[in-house]
Amino acid sequence: GAVVSQHPSWVICKSGTSVKIECRSLDFQATTMFWYRQFPKQSLMLMATSNEGSKATYEQGVEKDKFLINHASLTLSTLTVTSAHPEDSSFYICSEEALGRNEQYFGPGTRLTVT
Amino acid sequence: GIQVEQSPPDLILQEGANSTLRCNFSDSVNNLQWFHQNPWGQLINLFYIPSGTKQNGRLSATTVATERYSLLYISSSQTTDSGVYFCAVRLQGAQKLVFGQGTRLTINP
Repeated sequence: GAVVSQHPSWVICKSGTSVKIECRSLDFQATTMFWYRQFPKQSLMLMATSNEGSKATYEQGVEKDKFLINHASLTLSTLTVTSAHPEDSSFYICSEEALGRNEQYFGPGTRLTVT
Repeated sequence: GIQVEQSPPDLILQEGANSTLRCNFSDSVNNLQWFHQNPWGQLINLFYIPSGTKQNGRLSATTVATERYSLLYISSSQTTDSGVYFCAVRLQGAQKLVFGQGTRLTINP
């Protein structure tokens, strides 16, 4: 299966600062990348779908000015949490789906804590 | 939107036992995946199974697309099987996966 990396694996930041999370596809050229967040003991909630070279499509209720997504190349997508607040503390997970493949593969996740 | 329901929500078993996890979905799908989320949060792909039956070692899965359900079987459970099992589906023509709420499996030694 595909290999997806995320960096950092965990981050602690102060309220009001911005945090960037990277998601890299290590073996496929990911046409589409997805960003999810997961709260403790809950399921994954899709935040946005990102296609290389185009603007991300955000799910209803997700603030696109707060969660900036950039998919500049076929192997890299970034999520920037701007002006983070404690309620943004969560587990953020990216996934990829390569052209012609129907399976999604997931990164190991990034645990964000905002103090 | 499509509804995905998993049952049971929690399952506690002794090592060596067999288990069946169920995933019901409310509409026609062209993608169904089963994942195991380990204690560190990593989602591990178990099966891509929009229809039919597949087996991989002690795990097997069956999807009956016409009846809109999928089953994941785990035989001879081991403590390392503990974690949360998610079913996720994708509607025809859609890009995104919709996840069920998961089944939390605990295997006791």
